[in-house]
Amino acid sequence: EAGVVQSPRYKIIEKKQPVAFWCNPISGHNTLYWYRQNLGQGPELLIRYENEEAVDDSQLPKDRFSAERLKGVDSTLKIQPAELGDSAVYLCASSLVGASGRWAYEQYFGPGTRLTVT
Amino acid sequence: AQSVTQLDSHVSVSEGTPVLLRCNYSSSYSPSLFWYVQHPNKGLQLLLKYTSAATLVKGINGFEAEFKKSETSFHLTKPSAHMSDAAEYFCVVREGTALIFGKGTTLSVSS
Repeated sequence: EAGVVQSPRYKIIEKKQPVAFWCNPISGHNTLYWYRQNLGQGPELLIRYENEEAVDDSQLPKDRFSAERLKGVDSTLKIQPAELGDSAVYLCASSLVGASGRWAYEQYFGPGTRLTVT
Repeated sequence: AQSVTQLDSHVSVSEGTPVLLRCNYSSSYSPSLFWYVQHPNKGLQLLLKYTSAATLVKGINGFEAEFKKSETSFHLTKPSAHMSDAAEYFCVVREGTALIFGKGTTLSVSS
């Protein structure tokens, strides 16, 4: 079974430039998560989708970050414009979650995209 | 809000000796707790999980963890370290369907 796929694996951009990350979850998983992992820290949730609906985006910096999950399958996370402090690893995860979050199976993580903003 | 605290940022052991990675949790109700491992340039992998069944949980690669409510702890152990165990380990608590990660413990294994 294929795991969570993310691309690109690495990205180096100059500040103020836009950048986009792509994630393809495990087939059949209805819930998709984007996390940001700063150096020396644990991942922090940015946004969670149930199918195509963003049900938790409270930690997403909405002035510069946006995300979409068209058709409830793959997802794109965008930053525009990027700032130096956005340098981090962006992780995508997926899982199968029951109605209203009453139950949830394990989250599977992709390898991440390492973003460096110069 | 729930949280976890990993008590050591770095643990060093010799190959063949026991491993202990410490984690305390804060939760107002019975939590779901996990340990994840992250090898360099690889995705996070679930080692084990506690979901209010047996308090001693066995995971992959010989790791296990014990849930102690009286101590609000969920420490990760392994009887004998292997070189391949060198990685970053995260203690995690579930809040709703989201995961709250600790800051991580780097495990170094020397030969």
